[in-house]
Amino acid sequence: RKEVEQDPGPFNVPEGATVAFNCTYSNSASQSFFWYRQDCRKEPKLLMSVYSSGNEDGRFTAQLNRASQYISLLIRDSKLSDSATYLCVVRGRGGGATNKLIFGTGTLLAVQP
Amino acid sequence: NAGVMQNPRHLVRRRGQEARLRCSPMKGHSHVYWYRQLPEEGLKFMVYLQKENIIDESGMPKERFSAEFPKEGPSILRIQQVVRGDSAAYFCASSSGQGGTEAFFGQGTRLTVV
Repeated sequence: RKEVEQDPGPFNVPEGATVAFNCTYSNSASQSFFWYRQDCRKEPKLLMSVYSSGNEDGRFTAQLNRASQYISLLIRDSKLSDSATYLCVVRGRGGGATNKLIFGTGTLLAVQP
Repeated sequence: NAGVMQNPRHLVRRRGQEARLRCSPMKGHSHVYWYRQLPEEGLKFMVYLQKENIIDESGMPKERFSAEFPKEGPSILRIQQVVRGDSAAYFCASSSGQGGTEAFFGQGTRLTVV
């Protein structure tokens, strides 16, 4: 089983739609969670951290379910500029080898005009 | 720009040559990660370093690849005797290392082996 699993997509949605991405992780000791965005042939960029209580940043909402080892990202009112690959990232407990960041393979979103 | 700096951005090497990729972390960051991304594929972890220490190299190929992060200067990913299969984008990220902090990426080095 992969350490971080995501549906690769693609998700093709019209402008203005709401879209949700899911991610599961295998290591129950994981402590920190993030969503990154990667545009074609560019570096990944941090979109938002994911907190236990859930958090929102404008049109983006991230949630964490530790019991199910599940992370989600919701994008409301999709824009053309949201088209990208969204990467789920998990970090282990602080210190030592488990502190490395583990990336999912990403979910491709294509927002259509 | 106080971001993560990688150079060169593009590197062309002939088979059998050596490739050296450099990464200067963000100011105040002492932890560096290297990832490789093949075309149309996800990011694959290679190595995680702290100043003067390799913390986790579980993703590094056993031969030809090495990494260092000296006390002074950038982190270096070194690939000896490159082969065509080494052609990829190599990304470096840095963090302050404290649990929970985010990592920030450089723009990557695109290695092409001809």
